[in-house]
Amino acid sequence: AQTVTQSQPEMSVQEAETVTLSCTYDTSESDYYLFWYKQPPSRQMILVIRQEAYKQQNATENRFSVNFQKAAKSFSLKISDSQLGDAAMYFCAYLPGNTGFQKLVFGTGTRLLVSP
Amino acid sequence: DTGVSQNPRHKITKRGQNVTFRCDPISEHNRLYWYRQTLGQGPEFLTYFQNEAQLEKSRLLSDRFSAERPKGSFSTLEIQRTEQGDSAMYLCASSLESSGSTDTQYFGPGTRLTVL
Repeated sequence: AQTVTQSQPEMSVQEAETVTLSCTYDTSESDYYLFWYKQPPSRQMILVIRQEAYKQQNATENRFSVNFQKAAKSFSLKISDSQLGDAAMYFCAYLPGNTGFQKLVFGTGTRLLVSP
Repeated sequence: DTGVSQNPRHKITKRGQNVTFRCDPISEHNRLYWYRQTLGQGPEFLTYFQNEAQLEKSRLLSDRFSAERPKGSFSTLEIQRTEQGDSAMYLCASSLESSGSTDTQYFGPGTRLTVL
């Protein structure tokens, strides 16, 4: 079974600084997708970024970028120029590439604190 | 596009009672998912529909749980004879299957269930 591990329960960053959240996963599949979702307090989960495993290029979305290391099964999220609104729980998630299996597997999350 | 909506947002019930939650997916999305999230954990997959067909169920979904998606639109999740261990956030997500590729799941705000 696939597993996702987020080893940092909590991270802190100051406004305008850069922070990196770690994620590792375990799978025997070669085709899969990886996601970072953000869950603000008492608000719904929103997609931050998505990476297809067959793509070598790291995904970027404005201030958010990933470092995808397929051989190491590592998928970290870098947030540049951190803002107060970035404070939230961040979940790393894995999805098999077989379109018949649509179950997202989540890590336990990293709480990001942003200070002025 | 109004996003995924869920009702009610909060539900408090006594042990042994039945509860039903509703999820309205993003219009035109043909896939709908239910997840459960307990405190301090990432969401865990419960079940998944493609149109009106329930294609996958987790072992977490005991006989007391039943989900439906009549006519492939909204979905309901019913829990019979609730137990204190059922207390959790129940999340719904939807996605649009496109040309056999893996689609991104968009989440609703969740229904928080408290069983006394």
